[in-house]
Amino acid sequence: DQQVKQNSPSLSVQEGRISILNCDYTNSMFDYFLWYKKYPAEGPTFLISISSIKDKNEDGRFTVFLNKSAKHLSLHIVPSQPGDSAVYFCAASAVGGQGAQKLVFGQGTRLTINP
Amino acid sequence: DVKVTQSSRYLVKRTGEKVFLECVQDMDHENMFWYRQDPGLGLRLIYFSYDVKMKEKGDIPEGYSVSREKKERFSLILESASTNQTSMYLCASSPPGSRYEQYFGPGTRLTVT
Repeated sequence: DQQVKQNSPSLSVQEGRISILNCDYTNSMFDYFLWYKKYPAEGPTFLISISSIKDKNEDGRFTVFLNKSAKHLSLHIVPSQPGDSAVYFCAASAVGGQGAQKLVFGQGTRLTINP
Repeated sequence: DVKVTQSSRYLVKRTGEKVFLECVQDMDHENMFWYRQDPGLGLRLIYFSYDVKMKEKGDIPEGYSVSREKKERFSLILESASTNQTSMYLCASSPPGSRYEQYFGPGTRLTVT
């Protein structure tokens, strides 16, 4: 059962425009959420995170929004640049114990920025 | 800079062979993880370890085992490789606690023929 879902396998955006990547989760015990970016033949790299006590976190061109009631988070990239073309994974962790160290990942969304 | 290294970038093995994938991190992290990445399925956790000689099953441990004899090294073992274990294998490490991101290695593309 997929607890973290990214329903869009791919997204194509024009350079300079806003990219919005979406992620839904089902486990109400998740309280910390992260976005990772992955280029081909490289490991994922951490991008931005948000705790469940917040509804927004911003870092430069990247903003993550969390809607707890809808169990939904989104990543906004503004403005989009060609170097943003990559696969983006959202991930979540739950409170408590050794299990809190684990991350549950979504399926990923391939973002392509067109010049 | 945190560095997580994996012993091979590409590996081709035959069905039934025993396969060792090695991962080393240089940041003295307590936690280490093994994932596999498959198209349409994202990253799925195979095993993780939160201390030397400690291990916990992840979501898909069947057909795999792990070893953590030293803090910096975490090995994934495929006792008898099968074609459905053809995948990208990613190792990660993190400090203890749930509020730290995981740092990933470059991955090993394993093909089992």
